[in-house]
Amino acid sequence: AQSVTQLDSHVSVSEGTPVLLRCNYSSSYSPSLFWYVQHPNKGLQLLLKYTSAATLVKGINGFEAEFKKSETSFHLTKPSAHMSDAAEYFCVVSDVLNNAGNMLTFGGGTRLMVKP
Amino acid sequence: DAGVIQSPRHEVTEMGQEVTLRCKPISGHNSLFWYRQTMMRGLELLIYFNNNVPIDDSGMPEDRFSAKMPNASFSTLKIQPSEPRDSAVYFCASSPGQGQAGANVLTFGAGSRLTVL
Repeated sequence: AQSVTQLDSHVSVSEGTPVLLRCNYSSSYSPSLFWYVQHPNKGLQLLLKYTSAATLVKGINGFEAEFKKSETSFHLTKPSAHMSDAAEYFCVVSDVLNNAGNMLTFGGGTRLMVKP
Repeated sequence: DAGVIQSPRHEVTEMGQEVTLRCKPISGHNSLFWYRQTMMRGLELLIYFNNNVPIDDSGMPEDRFSAKMPNASFSTLKIQPSEPRDSAVYFCASSPGQGQAGANVLTFGAGSRLTVL
């Protein structure tokens, strides 16, 4: 069985300060991990993905995430927040042994607010 | 590619009416998913198709909900009769499908916001 926990439902930062969105997962096998972003009234967009290659993954818009197996974490970071980063972010886990999409498990989401 | 296309973007209807949501997946993608998003329950997988065949519909809430995929480029999600608790944003997503590169990566449509009065 697999699960994913996003530790914060809301995160508020000031523009220009670092962003940290936390995600912990559990998986029976070697997982694939993803971060998706959802801007207001939009669909979800893939930010980045980890699929057993480099543990530090770079995504779009300056975001990156580090896979830490020992901590079962896949936290999302960005050095400097921009107003346009305000959105909801979803951490997703998928068991790599089953490439069927229905094995994707979504976290509950973290709403990022960016203050001017 | 225009991405995953959903229609309508917004629908307001009265309780008891039939609602049909439509989805056109990305050309060449073999897997299609219907999700529902609400504040209370977050993102829920309703049903998943592979090569036009429904694989897992365990997330479909009840018999009022049905989904079809008559061909590789079109799917519908129907609610009949609709109820106020069906109000939500319904997302369609597609992926390349089992065994293909990027099989687990979903591309989402913009969603259909349904309000049932």
